Amino acid sequence: DIQMTQSPSSLSASVGDRVTITCRASQTISNHLNWYQQKPGKAPKLLIYAAVSLQSGVPSRFSGSGSGTDFTLTISSLQPADFATYYCQQSYNTPITFGQGTRLEIK
Amino acid sequence: QVQLVQSGAEVKKPGSSVKVSCSASGGTFSSYTISWVRQAPGQGLEWLGRIIPVLGIANYAQRFQARVTLAADKSTGTAYMDLTSLTFEDTATYYCAAVPAATDYFHTMDVWGPGTTVTVSS
Repeated sequence: DIQMTQSPSSLSASVGDRVTITCRASQTISNHLNWYQQKPGKAPKLLIYAAVSLQSGVPSRFSGSGSGTDFTLTISSLQPADFATYYCQQSYNTPITFGQGTRLEIK
Repeated sequence: QVQLVQSGAEVKKPGSSVKVSCSASGGTFSSYTISWVRQAPGQGLEWLGRIIPVLGIANYAQRFQARVTLAADKSTGTAYMDLTSLTFEDTATYYCAAVPAATDYFHTMDVWGPGTTVTVSS
């Protein structure tokens, strides 16, 4: 199975900050990497697919980059609605696997 | 765009089975793959498997292969997840998610059901 490792596991930041979350795959996955946002008690929401493509309706302050084994999710200017948990997910091989999550909290 | 509605919460005994349904509306069911993902309390996301309803073909995460069965009824636009031999560790919220055929190559789960809570308790 492909292991996905996110860092940091948790992060405190302020409204307006620029934030970067990293995801590393245990083997190359090309660009088969998606990012999700999850708020407490809610289902995950797709933000970025194919490593860099913004899902329709997602604000442009979210961006993704990377290929191979190393990927990043960047939020250019944090808004109150962005405080949530973020997961990366690889679709290169089955089983599809997720990172352990990064909890983004208000400082 | 398709919307997904899941069946209600379940409380089950250890060793029993649970069947969760996921009904699609507002879209063409056959245009999607349906994946199932679970989340134990306070934990991360774990993929169980997926089914292509139009073909009836499913594949599973190996760790669940012996206990999970996915099915789909094209006529009603409903997918099902059946999990047997339940243990306390199966207590979780179970989500179905729709993956459009156009982006199935990247398995983009872009529509999710609200989740079904399954509690295994003696």
